[in-house]
Amino acid sequence: GQQVMQIPQYQHVQEGEDFTTYCNSSTTLSNIQWYKQRPGGHPVFLIQLVKSGEVKKQKRLTFQFGEAKKNSSLHITATQTTDVGTYFCAASRYGNKLVFGAGTILRVKS
Amino acid sequence: DAGVIQSPRHEVTEMGQEVTLRCKPISGHDYLFWYRQTMMRGLELLIYFNNNVPIDDSGMPEDRFSAKMPNASFSTLKIQPSEPRDSAVYFCASSLLVQVGDYGYTFGSGTRLTVV
Repeated sequence: GQQVMQIPQYQHVQEGEDFTTYCNSSTTLSNIQWYKQRPGGHPVFLIQLVKSGEVKKQKRLTFQFGEAKKNSSLHITATQTTDVGTYFCAASRYGNKLVFGAGTILRVKS
Repeated sequence: DAGVIQSPRHEVTEMGQEVTLRCKPISGHDYLFWYRQTMMRGLELLIYFNNNVPIDDSGMPEDRFSAKMPNASFSTLKIQPSEPRDSAVYFCASSLLVQVGDYGYTFGSGTRLTVV
């Protein structure tokens, strides 16, 4: 079945450093979404990318969708302690069924 | 809107007992999803509904699991009989059709199930 591979599994950064997580698929995706889950919480929708090569920004967060629509990245500039959590990509090839990546756990040391 | 509402928040039960998890989606959302989250397997889609009709239940692990959506405002996930390996956090999520806008899934707070 469809899978999305997410790397790294875990990253521990110093507050103020940048952070990037990557999501890759072997098949072309119709869209990709990003979610954040705080420790003990539930996934919260951040953004959706649909177009090839699309780039979207939310304050310190930058999201990219690859030209071939097979990969995506989330970059956080100057991390803060409030960025702590697990970041998931989720993708669909068709329809409304999302498959979630394994997530990248971000820890920020102040 | 109060968001997606799940109950109970925590459930501890003995092996062999029946467990029923409940979900109230956001009003107007066409899709409802049941996910299970564990450390080992991450977020797994169990089943999803569109307009109260089950569309894909390929993720339901065994016949012990069943899900219903009798109306647009209520869904249940039932495990009978429960086993210790069913221990996980079960999330319900609802959404509109994601392809037509910048919509994602809205998740409930989850039910943490422990089977002893």
